Amino acid sequence: DAKTTQPNSMESNEEEPVHLPCNHSTISGTDYIHWYRQLPSQGPEYVIHGLTSNVNNRMASLAIAEDRKSSTLILHRATLRDAAVYYCILSPQGSARQLTFGSGTQLTVLP
Amino acid sequence: ETGVTQSPTHLIKTRGQQVTLRCSSQSGHNTVSWYQQALGQGPQFIFQYYREEENGRGNFPPRFSGLQFPNYSSELNVNALELDDSALYLCASSSPAGTSGGARTDTQYFGPGTRLTVL
Repeated sequence: DAKTTQPNSMESNEEEPVHLPCNHSTISGTDYIHWYRQLPSQGPEYVIHGLTSNVNNRMASLAIAEDRKSSTLILHRATLRDAAVYYCILSPQGSARQLTFGSGTQLTVLP
Repeated sequence: ETGVTQSPTHLIKTRGQQVTLRCSSQSGHNTVSWYQQALGQGPQFIFQYYREEENGRGNFPPRFSGLQFPNYSSELNVNALELDDSALYLCASSSPAGTSGGARTDTQYFGPGTRLTVL
């Protein structure tokens, strides 16, 4: 499986935008980019996914580089409830067969 | 829509014992995946069941086994427990792409997990 690289931790102030980066230089043409997050004491939660084009949903936006070797998850206005570990995961052809989690980025939101 | 549920919430066992963890998948989902999450690490894939058959397995020994039932609920069994089996065990349900009538099908929905402690 292609590997992703994320910073171990990031901090943000409440109500400010947050940009969480992910590098995936060995991504293949059929790999979807998924983001999940895990709040304290909970199971992971789907955030967003995309293939080539930028994507928006009610939770976040996903910006994908033109060469697809990196992507950025954007939380437009961070809240305290967004404090979580954010995982960037590559999944072949959109299959939910197996998610390979790395260690993710621990996001701290400061009041 | 009922979400993924897991039982029990917490469990304490001793080394060498056997344990069974249970998962009820989200309504309409026919695929269940199990993950092990050690403290401070990301979840690691154990195996997946699709329509009662094992459909992929991670790097876990045979003492980790599973079942899926006709209602798509699932069990994870671990024999001969070891101290390193202490972890959060997560269940996730999904539907293969194209099988759920247009719903978002490339997403796994996780339960809250079972915290297993092996003493």
